[in-house]
Amino acid sequence: DADVTQTPRNRITKTGKRIMLECSQTKGHDRMYWYRQDPGLGLRLIYYSFDVKDINKGEISDGYSVSRQAQAKFSLSLESAIPNQTALYFCATSLGDRAADTQYFGPGTRLTVL
Amino acid sequence: GQQLNQSPQSMFIQEGEDVSMNCTSSSIFNTWLWYKQDPGEGPVLLIALYKAGELTSNGRLTAQFGITRKDSFLNISASIPSDVGIYFCAVGLGGSGNTGKLIFGQGTTLQVKP
Repeated sequence: DADVTQTPRNRITKTGKRIMLECSQTKGHDRMYWYRQDPGLGLRLIYYSFDVKDINKGEISDGYSVSRQAQAKFSLSLESAIPNQTALYFCATSLGDRAADTQYFGPGTRLTVL
Repeated sequence: GQQLNQSPQSMFIQEGEDVSMNCTSSSIFNTWLWYKQDPGEGPVLLIALYKAGELTSNGRLTAQFGITRKDSFLNISASIPSDVGIYFCAVGLGGSGNTGKLIFGQGTTLQVKP
């Protein structure tokens, strides 16, 4: 079984809709991250969380919100989706020490906003 | 903001050829990482470098952390079709308030012709 899972894997929605992307992990890691990937831009950090009570904005947090419901779950929400949020979204986890630099990624969610 | 520059942006090579790609920054970083993303999957860590000048191998892959701490290269020897994918460099931001956060380069897309 995959250590980091994301649901859904693909989603098509319309402008203005609220969307939630889910991430679950069985690695027992404290730290979790949400990234978006756009062609030619690499991965950009949206939000990250170092434990259940901790939420931090990343490089491109505008238009997004997150919820860390438990150590194993980290959800990303788009309150009112817009077309330029069409992208591939990745969740990642890390251990929380020097190996925190080693991040483990989920398989991604491809989101299309029409 | 801080930025990593990867080159080349894309490569199309013949099976069996060696491959070299690099990543540079205008800032000093103390951790350099190389990830590979297979089509339809999330990035997977290939090599982590923690010491300036360090040269590390992982099978046919070799990576070096530049002595100036502003660059790194990744070499792949005797390429095979399964080497196809996007290769990302990343750096660990470190420091107070940044521990665990990574910045990614824009990626090098590798295609291998059998």
